[in-house]
Amino acid sequence: AQSVTQLDSHVSVSEGTPVLLRCNYSSSYSPSLFWYVQHPNKGLQLLLKYTSAATLVKGINGFEAEFKKSETSFHLTKPSAHMSDAAEYFCVVSLTGGGNKLTFGTGTQLKVEL
Amino acid sequence: GAVVSQHPSRVICKSGTSVKIECRSLDFQATTMFWYRQFPKQSLMLMATSNEGSKATYEQGVEKDKFLINHASLTLSTLTVTSAHPEDSSFYICSAREGFLRGSYNEQFFGPGTRLTVL
Repeated sequence: AQSVTQLDSHVSVSEGTPVLLRCNYSSSYSPSLFWYVQHPNKGLQLLLKYTSAATLVKGINGFEAEFKKSETSFHLTKPSAHMSDAAEYFCVVSLTGGGNKLTFGTGTQLKVEL
Repeated sequence: GAVVSQHPSRVICKSGTSVKIECRSLDFQATTMFWYRQFPKQSLMLMATSNEGSKATYEQGVEKDKFLINHASLTLSTLTVTSAHPEDSSFYICSAREGFLRGSYNEQFFGPGTRLTVL
């Protein structure tokens, strides 16, 4: 069985300050982990993915995430938030070779204030 | 990047009627398509997985006779909500995966979703 827990349902930051969105996972086997972003009335967009290569993963729009097996975490960070980053973010786990079935976290709504 | 479209983007129907939602991969061939459901302020829940030319595999708790999935070509999958009721109102999202598994993962590309409201 696999699952993800997003620890914060809402995060609010000021523009220009760092962003941290937390995610912990549970998986019996080697997982693949992803972060997706969903803007209102838009499809989900892949930000970055971890598939057992480098533990520090760089994604689009300045986001990155670090896979920490000892902490079963895959937190998403960005050094400086931009207004356009305001959206819903989903942490997602997939079993390697498991047919690509994705299990989504409950999502974190990121609000960026001036 | 790969583009997936959904049609319609929004539909309102009366209780008891059937609604068909289309999912198309515009610039690649999708051997596998997935259908998700998202309730307001909640996460995406996988409903079913469909492979081109074969029957869909439904997740536990999803009624296959109510949510009919057809994946007749490599670029089109349809979800038909039969005899829709207000509790079927939701945001339905499809995704498509190109080709067969290479390495550990082939990315799923998501459509923009269809908002279904059943009166």
